[in-house]
Amino acid sequence: NAGVTQTPKFRILKIGQSMTLQCTQDMNHNYMYWYRQDPGMGLKLIYYSVGAGITDKGEVPNGYNVSRSTTEDFPLRLELAAPSQTSVYFCASSYGGGNSNQPQHFGDGTRLSIL
Amino acid sequence: ELKVEQNPLFLSMQEGKNYTIYCNYSTTSDRLYWYRQDPGKSLESLFVLLSNGAVKQEGRLMASLDTKARLSTLHITAAVHDLSATYFCAALPTSGTYKYIFGTGTRLKVLA
Repeated sequence: NAGVTQTPKFRILKIGQSMTLQCTQDMNHNYMYWYRQDPGMGLKLIYYSVGAGITDKGEVPNGYNVSRSTTEDFPLRLELAAPSQTSVYFCASSYGGGNSNQPQHFGDGTRLSIL
Repeated sequence: ELKVEQNPLFLSMQEGKNYTIYCNYSTTSDRLYWYRQDPGKSLESLFVLLSNGAVKQEGRLMASLDTKARLSTLHITAAVHDLSATYFCAALPTSGTYKYIFGTGTRLKVLA
């Protein structure tokens, strides 16, 4: 029963490098989300998707890109890493978005440092 | 635009005491979620509150929702050390978007 799986768990990047954070879920959820959590803070929504091929911006989308080619996968791309993107990134999924009585399920997070 | 505020931000309490965490939100929302996060860990769902007057209880935690006051509370009864964690509330606007908005969290420390 894997749930939401994120890889890698830790990563250190140099300024200007790019990388993709992977997220996959095996619960057949339509809705998937990417959040960032800065130290001592709450979660800020970066991007979300309501199904394969459909994505939309959240509160803090600048510097990130996403794609959703399958129901299971929702990768997050950083093109030109900047120190301000140092954070913990969480991927989450849910069954029916706002029309569901189910909570979001979260992955274990990716701890990213940009130096 | 929906905003969610929690208070207090930090809470240090003795074992055996009762306390309440408050979650206020700024615009219409009829879905309110509570999560727990242990240090360095992910978020774990505690409660889903879907309607005005909803009350849910699990062990020493009880959550309620008052949509007219735009307020949810998380009440802790007879706190124990294992409840030490950060608690987040999150709301979903009724405007039809799927953008969950999280509060900044309440960091709870229960002292033995």
